Amino acid sequence: DAGVIQSPRHEVTEMGQEVTLRCKPISGHNSLFWYRQTMMRGLELLIYFNNNVPIDDSGMPEDRFSAKMPNASFSTLKIQPSEPRDSAVYFCASSLLDRGYEQYFGPGTRLTVT
Amino acid sequence: GQQLNQSPQSMFIQEGEDVSMNCTSSSIFNTWLWYKQDPGEGPVLLIALYKAGELTSNGRLTAQFGITRKDSFLNISASIPSDVGIYFCAGQPEGGSEKLVFGKGTKLTVNP
Repeated sequence: DAGVIQSPRHEVTEMGQEVTLRCKPISGHNSLFWYRQTMMRGLELLIYFNNNVPIDDSGMPEDRFSAKMPNASFSTLKIQPSEPRDSAVYFCASSLLDRGYEQYFGPGTRLTVT
Repeated sequence: GQQLNQSPQSMFIQEGEDVSMNCTSSSIFNTWLWYKQDPGEGPVLLIALYKAGELTSNGRLTAQFGITRKDSFLNISASIPSDVGIYFCAGQPEGGSEKLVFGKGTKLTVNP
């Protein structure tokens, strides 16, 4: 079975540009999580969805960040405008709703903002 | 917010040695999980623990959910070179949310 799929795997962009990260959760999973990982702060939860509905976005750093889940098999995380401090690895994870603590991670998108 | 204190930060061991790492918190957790992350990849779930005192094994890995519900440990027996990576503990805080709190990780190096 395919795991969580993320694209792109690497993204290099200039400050001020819009960045869109994409995620396809494991088929049948109905919870989706977006994380950011940096050396300084470790793994931080940004936002999560249950059945395509955003449940908790308290981890989203600021209004420049937005996330959508238009259907059960696709989610995006958008940063507009991007800043150098947004450079990090962004992970998407999915789980079954009644086992939300057993989260399965994608390979991540390494974002570099110059 | 809740925090997990994971130790040690890093370990350098010889192949064949046993390894132990742990996580502690000042808060109660309902679930403890252990993940491993290889370079350039996402964390992979190794073991999930659901109740206080539970001891669970997955091959050479053994993890326990502390009786106080505020700690957990992971042991790796007879380490091999492919055990190299970063091991993260994660906990689901009391309250029932799906949100997990992650430790900062233990970086394991195994010398052949």
